[in-house]
Amino acid sequence: ETGVTQTPRHLVMGMTNKKSLKCEQHLGHNAMYWYKQSAKKPLELMFVYSLEERVENNSVPSRFSPECPNSSHLFLHLHTLQPEDSALYLCASSQDGATKAFFGQGTRLTVV
Amino acid sequence: QKEVEQNSGPLSVPEGAIASLNCTYSDRGSQSFFWYRQYSGKSPELIMSIYSNGDKEDGRFTAQLNKASQYVSLLIRDSQPSDSATYLCAVRGTSGSARQLTFGSGTQLTVLP
Repeated sequence: ETGVTQTPRHLVMGMTNKKSLKCEQHLGHNAMYWYKQSAKKPLELMFVYSLEERVENNSVPSRFSPECPNSSHLFLHLHTLQPEDSALYLCASSQDGATKAFFGQGTRLTVV
Repeated sequence: QKEVEQNSGPLSVPEGAIASLNCTYSDRGSQSFFWYRQYSGKSPELIMSIYSNGDKEDGRFTAQLNKASQYVSLLIRDSQPSDSATYLCAVRGTSGSARQLTFGSGTQLTVLP
């Protein structure tokens, strides 16, 4: 266990559904991240919350919406996704956004 | 444009041999370098971090950094079949969005019994 917990581990959703991914870290870190991992591609940073500041990758479609209510919890809200959004979604956390990052186990998302 | 490049492999080595994994990066201001191991279907696991030029050893793993050449490598001595995984190189810069981790696409390593 890395101290970063993601739920659910697997999710199948239709293109008209709305769902949310949850991440919780028990490491006392103050930065949390969402990454997308597709087959044969590098890990893609989607969103960062660091010291209350949100940084995002401008190429992420608006059908992905992050929420960070406090430094221990991070959500990724999903709506009207496309089949190409099927991937492994990974949450990570670190201290101060500048040190090593620890990953959760990921959510395997399939959009049908 | 920040880039981290790795040979995607697959790299195959016999059990007991040394596996050498290489990574180059384009952002000369990068300050922190990490190696993650990812087993199939699992999430990345941090195995090494290195911040200054030279070698850093941890058990069977040695990370090597050469900032002048913008090159970082990972050596695995006495390779075991359990080392078979994809190894991800990650680089962190020093300011703004460059402080975020940028990952390479990974090198798939297979250790043959």
